Amino acid sequence: SQQGEEDPQALSIQEGENATMNCSYKTSINNLQWYRQNSGRGLVHLILIRSNEREKHSGRLRVTLDTSKKSSSLLITASRAADTASYFCATDPPLNDYKLSFGAGTTVTVRA
Amino acid sequence: NAGVTQTPKFRVLKTGQSMTLLCAQDMNHEYMYWYRQDPGMGLRLIHYSVGEGTTAKGEVPDGYNVSRLKKQNFLLGLESAAPSQTSVYFCASSFRGSSYNEQFFGPGTRLTVL
Repeated sequence: SQQGEEDPQALSIQEGENATMNCSYKTSINNLQWYRQNSGRGLVHLILIRSNEREKHSGRLRVTLDTSKKSSSLLITASRAADTASYFCATDPPLNDYKLSFGAGTTVTVRA
Repeated sequence: NAGVTQTPKFRVLKTGQSMTLLCAQDMNHEYMYWYRQDPGMGLRLIHYSVGEGTTAKGEVPDGYNVSRLKKQNFLLGLESAAPSQTSVYFCASSFRGSSYNEQFFGPGTRLTVL
């Protein structure tokens, strides 16, 4: 069963704007990861945040984690056309034998 | 490094036919996974392997079998394909023994069962 659920399901923004998507999950976690999938391609790892971290940055990406609310957010700043993709959160619950549980994803379209 | 590769990229089967999907990784990863991706459902784990010679069931294992005879290869078999197995299949691998369980994905195999 899916552990994470992304919100919104789809997002359309203008180039240069920021894009924010959220992920909620059900059980405690070791870490939470975000992946990107371009159309017709495999998933690519973007960033991992551990359960004892609250915020993490990587280039134009900012991820927050609130374990009390069991939620995470991914912010993409100054979006570009190349950011058009689906974004998935994946959780790694404790004692889960290194299996990730993926949400259904948020589809982001960046308009030129 | 090629990373994770999958063959074939596309395949069309008739109901009842069998086939094997091949996944290969050159990163010396211990863990390998097979997922299927269906519209609106994200990725669902079919089977996985925590090392050469070992396999385990994931979330949706019925109708599939797997083998990991060599560390670098993970095969997914469909013995008698059904239309419900029409999907995009992804293989992934990860390094064992780390809490940074980043998974590396192959490009996918698009399978249609008629």
